[in-house]
Amino acid sequence: ETGVTQSPTHLIKTRGQQVTLRCSSQSGHNTVSWYQQALGQGPQFIFQYYREEENGRGNFPPRFSGLQFPNYSSELNVNALELDDSALYLCASSLTHGGSGFNEQFFGPGTRLTVL
Amino acid sequence: AQTVTQSQPEMSVQEAETVTLSCTYDTSESDYYLFWYKQPPSRQMILVIRQEAYKQQNATENRFSVNFQKAAKSFSLKISDSQLGDAAMYFCAYTGRGAQKLVFGQGTRLTINP
Repeated sequence: ETGVTQSPTHLIKTRGQQVTLRCSSQSGHNTVSWYQQALGQGPQFIFQYYREEENGRGNFPPRFSGLQFPNYSSELNVNALELDDSALYLCASSLTHGGSGFNEQFFGPGTRLTVL
Repeated sequence: AQTVTQSQPEMSVQEAETVTLSCTYDTSESDYYLFWYKQPPSRQMILVIRQEAYKQQNATENRFSVNFQKAAKSFSLKISDSQLGDAAMYFCAYTGRGAQKLVFGQGTRLTINP
């Protein structure tokens, strides 16, 4: 069973640029959630994708957007990068099934984004 | 909105001793889940233990146990027989039943002294 993978590991961009981060979900999972973790802080929910549709969004501006593909992998896109976007971006996959029970999220190792 | 607060930015303990990490949360929901996650220097968030709010019995996973006080909205993690590999950032987290997101606290950095 393959775990959650993310690419790239590290990335350096300049203010105003655009960036795309990638996530491959764990085998059998159909849901991907993205989190932003600023240095010394806990992760903050950006959004979640289920069956290729956005399924919940946190308090992030529209320049944060995403995609989920038929194989359940996902991308996080950030336009017009700002210095405060420097953070660790975590992807988590889970299996959403019928019912409202708990669907454990399995995290990837993250992408460290630095905006200069 | 739900909030999670961890009031101990750093904790340290001697190897083989017991340490307790504190967490409080605020919610108006009656049905929810609480978690403790471990984030080692490798950055990968690992689930340590979870508690379902409707269960009165405190969850236990080997050396890890929780003290869940629903009325006080408190959820502490006890690590017994601390090991060097337990050194990491520990995050308390919350999610409502059927919710899409995890709400995390600010984290506690745990150091294990040999």
